[in-house]
Amino acid sequence: AQSVAQPEDQVNVAEGNPLTVKCTYSVSGNPYLFWYVQYPNRGLQFLLKYITGDNLVKGSYGFEAEFNKSQTSFHLKKPSALVSDSALYFCAVRDSSASKIIFGSGTRLSIRP
Amino acid sequence: DTGVSQDPRHKITKRGQNVTFRCDPISEHNRLYWYRQTLGQGPEFLTYFQNEAQLEKSRLLSDRFSAERPKGSFSTLEIQRTEQGDSAMYLCASSPTGLAGDTQYFGPGTRLTVL
Repeated sequence: AQSVAQPEDQVNVAEGNPLTVKCTYSVSGNPYLFWYVQYPNRGLQFLLKYITGDNLVKGSYGFEAEFNKSQTSFHLKKPSALVSDSALYFCAVRDSSASKIIFGSGTRLSIRP
Repeated sequence: DTGVSQDPRHKITKRGQNVTFRCDPISEHNRLYWYRQTLGQGPEFLTYFQNEAQLEKSRLLSDRFSAERPKGSFSTLEIQRTEQGDSAMYLCASSPTGLAGDTQYFGPGTRLTVL
């Protein structure tokens, strides 16, 4: 069975500092990994995904994520945080045979000025 | 706007009433998904369609829930005899095909409150 864990309910970072939002996954077969962001009272916006190829994936708004197969992780990163990055971030996984995406419980990112 | 749209954005109803939500996917997207999101949780899969065929339903989708996509375009999700536990955000998403690497694009959601 597929599963996703986001071990941190909340991450607090000062503006301008690097940020990391952690995600680990469990899936049989090859994983397809996604990050989405959700702003208040809005739907989920796609940030980036890993399908195959380079382990470092670049996405929207300066975000990137590193796929680590041995650690079954897909952490989201950004070199320099902005206050506008404050939102709820979801990691998600899908295996090659499944159609649905399994989401983590989310991590609230708070960037202080 | 060519994104996924959902209607209504908010619905308040009394327990026992029936409600219906509509989702219009991105044009020409073959796959359409419904998810439910409760406060503090990630979205949970409910069901999905490939064109007009409903291919999978979650155990979360009790017999009070029914979804349709009659012409392979828009979809409706109906909840009969609503219960307070049905209060949640109902999200719709679409993707071009059924490939595992496809991105699912989400609508703004319908927030249901059952009194």
